[in-house]
This record gives sequence, structure tokens and C-alpha cells, in this order.
Amino acid sequence: DIQMTQSPSSLSASVGDRVTITCRASQGIRNYLAWYQQKPGELPNLLIYAASTLRSGVPSRFSGSGSGTHFSLTISSLQPEDVATYYCQKYGSAPCSFGQGTRLEIK
Amino acid sequence: QVQLAQSGTEVKKPGSSVKVSCRSSGGTFTSYSFSWVRQAPGQGLEWMGGIIPIFETPTYAQKFQGRVTITADKSTSTVYMELSSLRSEDTAVYHCARGFYSDYDYYYVDVWGKGTTVSVSS
Repeated sequence: DIQMTQSPSSLSASVGDRVTITCRASQGIRNYLAWYQQKPGELPNLLIYAASTLRSGVPSRFSGSGSGTHFSLTISSLQPEDVATYYCQKYGSAPCSFGQGTRLEIK
Repeated sequence: QVQLAQSGTEVKKPGSSVKVSCRSSGGTFTSYSFSWVRQAPGQGLEWMGGIIPIFETPTYAQKFQGRVTITADKSTSTVYMELSSLRSEDTAVYHCARGFYSDYDYYYVDVWGKGTTVSVSS
């Protein structure tokens, strides 16, 4: 199975900061990479698919990049409502594994 | 509006099995792929396996091979996940998750079931 590794595992930043989370695949996955946001007590919510395509309705401060084995999720200006755990997931050929998650907090 | 309705909370003994159901409504069942994703208390998301009903053949994560069985019933638009040889570490919320597909490839998840809590304790 392809392993997905996120870093950092947790992150604390100030409102207005630029925040970047990275995700690495153990093998190349082209651009078959999605990012999800999970707020406490809620279901995961799709933010980005195909590595860089923003889902309709997601704020434009979120962006994704990468291809092959290295990917990143960037929040250009952190807002209080962005407090959540973020997960990457490879899709395409199964298994469709998730990264271990990055917990994002406000300083 | 697509919805995934999951079966209710289960309390099981170690060594037993559990079968969780997920009924899809609001779309054409065979247009989708379905995955089972679990989340243990305070832990991350874990993809267990999935099925594309039109092809009927499930795929499982290596960790769960031999212990999980995923099936789909096209007549009732329902997918099932059965996990056997339960142990305390299997205590988690089990989510049904829907995406599209292309050929045999799964797409990202755009609809989540609310989850079924499975507790394993002696």
C-alpha cells in the first residue's frame, strides 16, 4: 500500500499567518491527491481535489499544489474558523490511504 | 440530495464480528464508489476498503485483509462492511463515504455518512 506522510503533526500559528502543511506519498500518485478539513465533532469536509482544484464554496485563502510524491496545502491568511485537523488522501487506484493528519491551532 | 444512512451503534465482545450497513439515496447507486473509513477516539482517518458496485469487486487496505468484507446490494442501494475477530483496538466510528469513479479508480470523497459507533469490550 502507498503510505501518505504529513508534516507537521501539529501546528500553532497566529491569525493572519501563512500556513503550509505538506504531504508526501511513498510512490508517485500523479495529482490524485485530496485535502480534507475536519473540525472537532464534525465530519471531514473536502477542500481540494486533483492536488490543486478548490472545491466550490471553499474560501480562496486555501490552495493546494504538488504532483508525484510531494504536495502541500497552504492557507494564505489564517482565520479563527480554520482551527481543525487537516488530512491528505491519495485516491485513484485503491487502497486510498490518508495521511495521519495535521492539527492546526491558533496561538 | 445524496444521503448515506448508516446503521446504529454496536457493542461487541472481543472475537466476535460486526456488520454495518449504509443505504445510499438521492443518486444513481451504480454511479458511485463507496469506501469505509474508520476513526478511533482521538485518532485520524483510516481507509479500510471500498467497492465500486457496478464492478462488485471490493479492494481492502493491507492492514484489514482477511478480516474485513465489503459488499454491495444494488437492489437496495446498500453497502455493507463486516469486520471479524474484533479486538478492543477496533473501537471506533465507522464511516461510509461516497465518491465517483473512473474505470476502476476511486475518486475523492464528497459525501460522508454520519458514522456508526462500534465499541468492543469484554
